[in-house]
Amino acid sequence: DGGITQSPKYLFRKEGQNVTLSCEQNLNHDAMYWYRQDPGQGLRLIYYSQIVNDFQKGDIAEGYSVSREKKESFPLTVTSAQKNPTAFYLCASIGSAMNTEAFFGQGTRLTVV
Amino acid sequence: AQSVAQPEDQVNVAEGNPLTVKCTYSVSGNPYLFWYVQYPNRGLQFLLKYITGDNLVKGSYGFEAEFNKSQTSFHLKKPSALVSDSALYFCAVRDPGGGTYKYIFGTGTRLKVLA
Repeated sequence: DGGITQSPKYLFRKEGQNVTLSCEQNLNHDAMYWYRQDPGQGLRLIYYSQIVNDFQKGDIAEGYSVSREKKESFPLTVTSAQKNPTAFYLCASIGSAMNTEAFFGQGTRLTVV
Repeated sequence: AQSVAQPEDQVNVAEGNPLTVKCTYSVSGNPYLFWYVQYPNRGLQFLLKYITGDNLVKGSYGFEAEFNKSQTSFHLKKPSALVSDSALYFCAVRDPGGGTYKYIFGTGTRLKVLA
């Protein structure tokens, strides 16, 4: 059953701590994306990757890091440099053709405690 | 630069009435346009897309959207709203001639269908 999986669903971070959000897909998609969603602000692009071992900064990359060592996986690390990390994080993957739709994971809600 | 605008933060409609959720876009070439729906604490689900061809596109759950090139709009419609249609709706654009794979999303419109 093909799809895209994010884990965990809920994550709590202490001040000054780095945390990593997992995103895995078995759709054989080349492109993967990370978005941050805050109330009333829609989706903001953090990082994206169009191919293994390559990724690009999005609009709000500061305080975040990613890796793309495997086609199936695109983990996002929220570092202590991200001063306001509490948000809903969404991962998506897209096939290589420009006219294909994105597939989204179920999201991870990160809360700073 | 490409952009998408959803001018209404919220749309209220009575059950059984037609609904429209508005979207306008700005791209340098011919756009690829998409609509997604999001239920609380869930990821986005694809509804429909316009790539080329007929301006009226039909999608999931009885939704359709009309592409209007002269008005640069791609409004989402449904002839008869259901309470279960209440959700957050996002319009998105990709510019195939823009040299980027980036998806650009609108800020979302919350649809509330009243029983």
